[in-house]
Amino acid sequence: GNSVTQMEGPVTLSEEAFLTINCTYTATGYPSLFWYVQYPGEGLQLLLKATKADDKGSNKGFEATYRKETTSFHLEKGSVQVSDSAVYFCALSGSGGSYIPTFGRGTSLIVHP
Amino acid sequence: GAVVSQHPSWVICKSGTSVKIECRSLDFQATTMFWYRQFPKQSLMLMATSNEGSKATYEQGVEKDKFLINHASLTLSTLTVTSAHPEDSSFYICSAPKTLGTTEAFFGQGTRLTVV
Repeated sequence: GNSVTQMEGPVTLSEEAFLTINCTYTATGYPSLFWYVQYPGEGLQLLLKATKADDKGSNKGFEATYRKETTSFHLEKGSVQVSDSAVYFCALSGSGGSYIPTFGRGTSLIVHP
Repeated sequence: GAVVSQHPSWVICKSGTSVKIECRSLDFQATTMFWYRQFPKQSLMLMATSNEGSKATYEQGVEKDKFLINHASLTLSTLTVTSAHPEDSSFYICSAPKTLGTTEAFFGQGTRLTVV
């Protein structure tokens, strides 16, 4: 079946530090890949997505590239802010004819001033 | 853009009572909606897929009689937690595909249920 593996958190950084959150996946076919962000007490918001190999999704300074050869979709940001503190979920959908998203366990990011 | 609205955002209820959570698609029709449960510091666990005009599809291990799902219209799905117990306390989130058959989904704000 499909699965998404994320690095365990929490990830604790100082403001303006470089961020990487690793995500790898297992799926049949060619799924779409997503990063969602969840702020405290809220639902999930789509942060970025990529629908095919070598696509780069980007939004709000965050980037992730769909790497089929390594089955990865690592999230990066060059300079994090305190307001980026949240839980980040890697997800896939569209594998094997199913459009139900499969989520990773989430990675908590804490950014200190 | 399309929005999914979930209500209430939080609720406290007594053991043995039932609680209804609503999920509405505000500016699009959602023939399918997903209901998730999220435990503290854990990922989202899919509970069921709600289908307008037909029975919901429940994931293995989810009690159908305890978590009643009704998808009465193209814009409304409800999850009722019946005879709630403290172990049902959790964060419940609904979502709907952007359009049927697409991979992107919109999420509600979530409902924090506390059973005392």
